[in-house]
Amino acid sequence: ETGVTQTPRHLVMGMTNKKSLKCEQHLGHNAMYWYKQSAKKPLELMFVYNFKEQTENNSVPSRFSPECPNSSHLFLHLHTLQPEDSALYLCASSQEGGWMNTEAFFGQGTRLTVV
Amino acid sequence: QQPVQSPQAVILREGEDAVINCSSSKALYSVHWYRQKHGEAPVFLMILLKGGEQKGHEKISASFNEKKQQSSLYLTASQLSYSGTYFCGTGSGSARQLTFGSGTQLTVLP
Repeated sequence: ETGVTQTPRHLVMGMTNKKSLKCEQHLGHNAMYWYKQSAKKPLELMFVYNFKEQTENNSVPSRFSPECPNSSHLFLHLHTLQPEDSALYLCASSQEGGWMNTEAFFGQGTRLTVV
Repeated sequence: QQPVQSPQAVILREGEDAVINCSSSKALYSVHWYRQKHGEAPVFLMILLKGGEQKGHEKISASFNEKKQQSSLYLTASQLSYSGTYFCGTGSGSARQLTFGSGTQLTVLP
């Protein structure tokens, strides 16, 4: 248990569906992140929120839409996904944005399968 | 540009030592090491900041050679619990994010 909780743990969705992933942390951190982890690929940073403001968007397609209503919660809204979007989506948090000298805490991820 | 990790995979017996390397083509400010077990979240191991420092806890330690733009993770007298995928993440220049390597899969056999 790292203090970062993601739901659901598994999700299967059709290409025309709309779903949302949720991440919650009660560590008092001010920065939250979404990462995509595909098989045999490095962790890919998708979005960064620092004090509820989005500070990074790594050229992520618009079918992924993040939302950060407060420093403890982060959502990833999904719509009209493609099969290649199937992956493990990891949420992380850290004391503040910019991980240069602070550790990050990861959630266990949501295993997403797009059919 | 993501860092390059080597080896991609290593299998060893309990009690043996292993070294995992992480190198970057960019000047580095920091190196992070994480371990991820199958089906679990990546877990933080340590951070090394520029200055050529070495860190460690228990039997896992790491070095950071700023000049060579590389870091090495040392696992001594490995235990079964060390099995997992090890990732290095590098921070460089003005980047406000870490770039992760592809990971090294470590398997410790009894």
